[in-house]
Amino acid sequence: EAGVAQSPRYKIIEKRQSVAFWCNPISGHATLYWYQQILGQGPKLLIQFQNNGVVDDSQLPKDRFSAERLKGVDSTLKIQPAKLEDSAVYLCASSLEGASGQYFGPGTRLTVT
Amino acid sequence: DAKTTQPNSMESNEEEPVHLPCNHSTISGTDYIHWYRQLPSQGPEYVIHGLTSNVNNRMASLAIAEDRKSSTLILHRATLRDAAVYYCILRPPYYNQGGKLIFGQGTELSVKP
Repeated sequence: EAGVAQSPRYKIIEKRQSVAFWCNPISGHATLYWYQQILGQGPKLLIQFQNNGVVDDSQLPKDRFSAERLKGVDSTLKIQPAKLEDSAVYLCASSLEGASGQYFGPGTRLTVT
Repeated sequence: DAKTTQPNSMESNEEEPVHLPCNHSTISGTDYIHWYRQLPSQGPEYVIHGLTSNVNNRMASLAIAEDRKSSTLILHRATLRDAAVYYCILRPPYYNQGGKLIFGQGTELSVKP
């Protein structure tokens, strides 16, 4: 079974530029998550989708971050404009409903200079 | 949000059992106990979860105290590949905030050959 796919794996941009990350969840997983992990910290949930609807986006900085999951499968996370403090690993995860575990992709390491 | 307390770090010898403790005195009756681990430069990996009864899978065992205020993740025979940060997380049911995971600092496990 294929895991969660993410691209790109690495990205370096200058502050005030825009960037987008892509995620393809495990087939059949209705729930998709985006996390931000700053070096030395645990992952922090940014947004959670159930199919193509948003369940929780309370931690998403909506003035600069946006995410969509138009057909209930793939998802994109965008940052516009980027700040230095956005340097982090952005992780995508997916799960079946209920209490089941979440399955994470390898992440995208973003460096903002 | 219900909190967990874990030691910052632990050491183990290869091929010996490892018991990783977690305290969660404020757990509610509907919270699931989830464990994830994160190897260096990788996304978190689901390990195991439980509600009240002890659980076993191919990766580990989860022992849950009778009062549910603590739990222990047991790796039966540590290998060098088990060196990682282990996160103990209380996950509310899906109808409560979509069952979001809140990661703490975790326990960094090192395994000596």
